[in-house]
Amino acid sequence: DAGVIQSPRHEVTEMGQEVTLRCKPISGHDYLFWYRQTMMRGLELLIYFNNNVPIDDSGMPEDRFSAKMPNASFSTLKIQPSEPRDSAVYFCASRQQGLGNQPQHFGDGTRLSIL
Amino acid sequence: KNQVEQSPQSLIILEGKNCTLQCNYTVSPFSNLRWYKQDTGRGPVSLTIMTFSENTKSNGRYTATLDADTKQSSLHITASQLSDSASYICVVSGQAGTALIFGKGTTLSVSS
Repeated sequence: DAGVIQSPRHEVTEMGQEVTLRCKPISGHDYLFWYRQTMMRGLELLIYFNNNVPIDDSGMPEDRFSAKMPNASFSTLKIQPSEPRDSAVYFCASRQQGLGNQPQHFGDGTRLSIL
Repeated sequence: KNQVEQSPQSLIILEGKNCTLQCNYTVSPFSNLRWYKQDTGRGPVSLTIMTFSENTKSNGRYTATLDADTKQSSLHITASQLSDSASYICVVSGQAGTALIFGKGTTLSVSS
C-alpha cells in the first residue's frame, strides 16, 4: 500500500532560483496538506486542498509561494524566487474525508536548502 | 490564542525505562488531540487520537491520557526501546473547519 510520495527528497539550490516540490497523495484521499517544518517553529500548515480545490492558504508566507493541485493524484508547491530563509523540510500529507477522525498520512518530506 | 505547549523539549532515558511526555493546550472549542511519532528523516505517523470523552487510550507500549477539564494530555511510554528514539508531536483539533494546532514536539533519545 503506497503512502504519500514526495519528490525530490533533497534539494539544494542557490538563492533566486525557482524551486518546485512535488507530492502524490494516497489514492482515494480527499484532502491534501502542505507543511513546513523548522527547528524554531515546528510544523506549520501552509495550505490545504479539498477535492483539488484550495480551501485555506492563510499559512503561505509570501507571494513567492504558490501551490497547485491539477488533479486528485498530484500537487506542487513552488517557491519563486527562493531565499535562504526558505530552507526547511517541506511535508505533504493527505487524509480521507469521512466519518470519524481520520489521521493525516505524511510523506517523508523534501529537505530544502537555499544557499 | 490557540496554543499547544509540550514538555520537556528533549529527554534522554536508558533502554527499558519508562517515560512520560506532556502536552498542555488552550485550544477551544476542543474536538480531539492526536499524538504523532516522527522518526529522524521521516514524516510524522499517528500513534493515537483522544476525543473529548476519552480519558485513556493505549497503543502497545504507548498510553495516552487526556484531561479535558485541565486541558492536559500525556503520552506514557513503557519499557522503552531504542526504536522509540524520535520526536513526539502533540496536535490539537478545534471544531470542524478549523486548522490543527501543532506543538513543537519532544525529542526522546533512548540509549543502551
